[in-house]
Amino acid sequence: DAKTTQPTSMDCAEGRAANLPCNHSTISGNEYVYWYRQIHSQGPQYIIHGLKNNETNEMASLIITEDRKSSTLILPHATLRDTAVYYCIVRLTSNTGKLIFGQGTTLQVKP
Amino acid sequence: GAVVSQHPSRVICKSGTSVKIECRSLDFQATTMFWYRQFPKKSLMLMATSNEGSKATYEQGVEKDKFLINHASLTLSTLTVTSAHPEDSSFYICSARVPSGQGRGDTEAFFGQGTRLTVV
Repeated sequence: DAKTTQPTSMDCAEGRAANLPCNHSTISGNEYVYWYRQIHSQGPQYIIHGLKNNETNEMASLIITEDRKSSTLILPHATLRDTAVYYCIVRLTSNTGKLIFGQGTTLQVKP
Repeated sequence: GAVVSQHPSRVICKSGTSVKIECRSLDFQATTMFWYRQFPKKSLMLMATSNEGSKATYEQGVEKDKFLINHASLTLSTLTVTSAHPEDSSFYICSARVPSGQGRGDTEAFFGQGTRLTVV
């Protein structure tokens, strides 16, 4: 699975959009981009995933660049409960579900 | 989403004793589950892949005799930390992926809530 690079930490004001970048320049054509988050002392939570097209669900939007070498997770209206570590993971969906976590981005949402 | 439950959520044990952690898939059958450990302020580290009805596959550097994994049914995997030492104190997390064909239509992994082990 391809390696990802994320900023170590980010701050965001409550109510504003949080944009979390991820670089995955070595991604291959059949690898998906997955985002998970981990709130302190809990198990990771699935957020969203995509292959080429931008994706949106009730939690977030995922914007993938045309060359697929980077992506951005957007939380449209961040709340204090969105404070967490956000992990960007690239993997084949054909694998068994094994996830290799990088260091992630610690997002601090401030009042 | 699918539900994965871990038990216990928190355990304290004495050095030299063994501790068993359970991971259950509550509303789906999981032929494969995964065990991770996480040290404070660090990322999750995959320890092993638990396969129903067969031996677990351990990641490099993980002692299989230290961390015994049993996946005896399609809904339960257990991790036993044997002869625990203080350095085994950590946050242990399991996950499971819903296999295709069980009507979920998605491919994300679901995680348990984690077990915090403290060895004193």
